[in-house]
Amino acid sequence: DTAVSQTPKYLVTQMGNDKSIKCEQNLGHDTMYWYKQDSKKFLKIMFSYNNKELIINETVPNRFSPKSPDKAHLNLHINSLELGDSAVYFCASSQDTQETQYFGPGTRLLVL
Amino acid sequence: KNEVEQSPQNLTAQEGEFITINCSYSVGISALHWLQQHPGGGIVSLFMLSSGKKKHGRLIATINIQEKHSSLHITASHPRDSAVYICAGDYGNKLVFGAGTILRVKS
Repeated sequence: DTAVSQTPKYLVTQMGNDKSIKCEQNLGHDTMYWYKQDSKKFLKIMFSYNNKELIINETVPNRFSPKSPDKAHLNLHINSLELGDSAVYFCASSQDTQETQYFGPGTRLLVL
Repeated sequence: KNEVEQSPQNLTAQEGEFITINCSYSVGISALHWLQQHPGGGIVSLFMLSSGKKKHGRLIATINIQEKHSSLHITASHPRDSAVYICAGDYGNKLVFGAGTILRVKS
């Protein structure tokens, strides 16, 4: 059973489109995260949620909107996609903040 | 300047060699994470430590809080250890990542 899963694995889309990436964890964790890995492989936090409440929004453009319908899911919706949004997006979860994090397989987004 | 600095950026080793990757951070953290990113892209957490030393198989992680420095050691390296190793400072609600060390172990 996959602990942290993301869909889709690959996403190719045109500039200006709106797309969503889904994340689910079956570990019973309270905290979930979204990270962006750029073309230089540098990872950066975007959002973190604890018990469905947003606790970190790391100066991400408001075209990005996370949604946590329950503790097991944290989805990422992106409006008006831009070329610079091309990256790999990783979801992760942990029992609480300041705990070991478990990462999903990543979603490779390419905006044309 | 990134709050978390790693060195070296690239490292090539012969199978069997002892490997050290270094990480330093500029302000206080609650813990330090070491992660491994496989060539296929998946990320695995190796260690989370806030003091002292942890060991798992051939991997050892140490941290010196006073010097704001951590090291990841790999003993008896093997080609399957080839990956990107990333350290990250845990600032409570978020991780701040180093740029990663690309390790290649040749047989």
